[in-house]
Amino acid sequence: DIQMIQSPASLSASVGETVTITCRASENIYSYLAWYQQKQGKSPQLLVYNAKTLAEGVPSRFSGSGSATQFSLKINSLQPEDFGSYYCQHHYGTPPTFGGGTKLEIK
Amino acid sequence: QGQMQQSGAELVKPGASVKLSCKTSGFTFSSNYISWLKQKPGQSLEWIAWIYAGTGGTNYNQKFTGKAQLTVDTSSSTAYMQFSSLTTEDSAIYYCTRHVGYDRPMDYWGQGTSVTVSS
Repeated sequence: DIQMIQSPASLSASVGETVTITCRASENIYSYLAWYQQKQGKSPQLLVYNAKTLAEGVPSRFSGSGSATQFSLKINSLQPEDFGSYYCQHHYGTPPTFGGGTKLEIK
Repeated sequence: QGQMQQSGAELVKPGASVKLSCKTSGFTFSSNYISWLKQKPGQSLEWIAWIYAGTGGTNYNQKFTGKAQLTVDTSSSTAYMQFSSLTTEDSAIYYCTRHVGYDRPMDYWGQGTSVTVSS
């Protein structure tokens, strides 16, 4: 199975800051990479797929980049509603696997 | 806009089985894949299996083979996951999700069903 290594595991930032979360795949997954946001007590929501395509309704302050084995999710000008956990997932076939998650907290 | 409504929380005894449901709406059920995932408190997500609703074809995570069984009822656009021989390690939240291809992202999620295994 493809392993997804996500960093950092936790991140503390202030409203208005810019943050970047990275995800590394154990093998080439081309651009088959998705990012999800999960708020406490809620189900995850798709933010980005195909490494850089924003899902419907996702604000433009979110952006995804990367290919092959190295990927990142950048959030510009953090808003209060952006705090929560973020997960990367490869969708390069079966089984899909997830990174360990990044918990983004308010400083 | 697609929706996925999962069944309510379950409290079951060790060794028992449980059947979770996921009723979908807002998209053509039989043209999609439904995946089930597991999430324990404070942990990441683990894929259990998917089922292609049009044919009932399935693909299981090796870890859950023999543990989970996926089925669908196309007449009601509902997917089911039966989980058997439950142990305390199976206590978690279980999500159903929709993806349009086996190599596509999970764009619709249910609200999750909490399963607690306790004597």
